[in-house]
Amino acid sequence: DTGVSQNPRHKITKRGQNVTFRCDPISEHNRLYWYRQTLGQGPEFLTYFQNEAQLEKSRLLSDRFSAERPKGSFSTLEIQRTEQGDSAMYLCASRGLNYGYTFGSGTRLTVV
Amino acid sequence: ILNVEQSPQSLHVQEGDSTNFTCSFPSSNFYALHWYRWETAKSPEALFVMTLNGDEKKKGRISATLNTKEGYSYLYIKGSQPEDSATYLCAFSGGGADGLTFGKGTHLIIQP
Repeated sequence: DTGVSQNPRHKITKRGQNVTFRCDPISEHNRLYWYRQTLGQGPEFLTYFQNEAQLEKSRLLSDRFSAERPKGSFSTLEIQRTEQGDSAMYLCASRGLNYGYTFGSGTRLTVV
Repeated sequence: ILNVEQSPQSLHVQEGDSTNFTCSFPSSNFYALHWYRWETAKSPEALFVMTLNGDEKKKGRISATLNTKEGYSYLYIKGSQPEDSATYLCAFSGGGADGLTFGKGTHLIIQP
């Protein structure tokens, strides 16, 4: 297992289109997190899964955002009707039983 | 709302010099303090996870200290090298929520 994998690395989309990102965590990690990082800010928490259950959602996650982790393995984050303000780096992290979080390289979204 | 502050925001250091920067975080409901190094186009790399007041950790030329009573952590880099150029993020976990609350980072540039 080479770590947390995210696809695509970059996505350019037109305003109003839907986009979906994928995260493949470290296989033995049962916890999976999504973060968003905008220019000049640190990563901000979006949502968290333990196995397939979505246990926590930030108020940043508007109703245009939905995340799933159907079999407790990979996760998808979908943004519907994208807006320019959605342009950001979307990071995924996974965590096992210890304190450490392992991050993927992120998906950079640009909405034009 | 949990507030994690990092200073300075950016730092230029001459190669060979030593440097340090600060992370301040809530002193109540503390669980762990994380330091990450994030280079452009790569995933954030975990440097340290610290949980106990007075913890000191070292990894090569980089070390960190933790004071949970007053809510701060220092990261030290000894004998800076060009490859140390990166954004250094600290993140707090605690406050009854899972997931991490990040600071905005310190952007470090090592000048040859």
